[in-house]
Amino acid sequence: QSALTQPRSVSGSPGQSVTISCTGTTSDVGAYIYVSWFQQYPAKAPKLIIYDVSERPSGVPDRFSGSKSGNTASLTISGLQAEDEADYYCCSYAGIQGVFGTGTKVTVL
Amino acid sequence: EVHLVQSGAEVKKPGESLKISCKSSGYRFTDYWIGWVRQMPGQGLEWMGIIYPGDSETRYSPSFQGQVNISADKSISTAYLQWSSLKASDTAMYYCARGVTTKDYWGQGTLVTVSS
Repeated sequence: QSALTQPRSVSGSPGQSVTISCTGTTSDVGAYIYVSWFQQYPAKAPKLIIYDVSERPSGVPDRFSGSKSGNTASLTISGLQAEDEADYYCCSYAGIQGVFGTGTKVTVL
Repeated sequence: EVHLVQSGAEVKKPGESLKISCKSSGYRFTDYWIGWVRQMPGQGLEWMGIIYPGDSETRYSPSFQGQVNISADKSISTAYLQWSSLKASDTAMYYCARGVTTKDYWGQGTLVTVSS
């Protein structure tokens, strides 16, 4: 099972929107609604910010949103803030197992 | 409140065995999958495997099948990750997390260093 493909980095100015893609196959992202997104700060455990493609856990700001089209899932951060600078990972169910994306570093300019 | 508390950092030599733990509290341990995630130094997250403590069903990523063993003791709400013979390439941070892909709660991580 190969890792899902994410851009290595994206950047934006405060207030702008950025979108991170997560490309898989018909065996993972394209087959299931079970796509999650995680935010990770350096030397910290990851934090769930989106699950089931577009659902937000309690306490996650609504500037984080998720979507999916075909084999590609996307995370959009609207109204970018300095505290959003972190690494982001997608994760998809792949029938029996799960698979993470390669990770994207978000830089706030 | 849900908590996952992992065992402390380990320094081991190649060829040695190791078992690290993840103790859960605040929820019914037998009702949720719990799994392990590897993060090698400076690298991304890797889904290793999961266990359902209710019936001990275990699933592994092909990359980790046969390389590690995941188990659980439901009497003490604790999941384990075990190696029989460590390699230098096992050096990494290991996280436990509740869920298959919706990993809503995470442990603090256990740093495993394998060096001669």
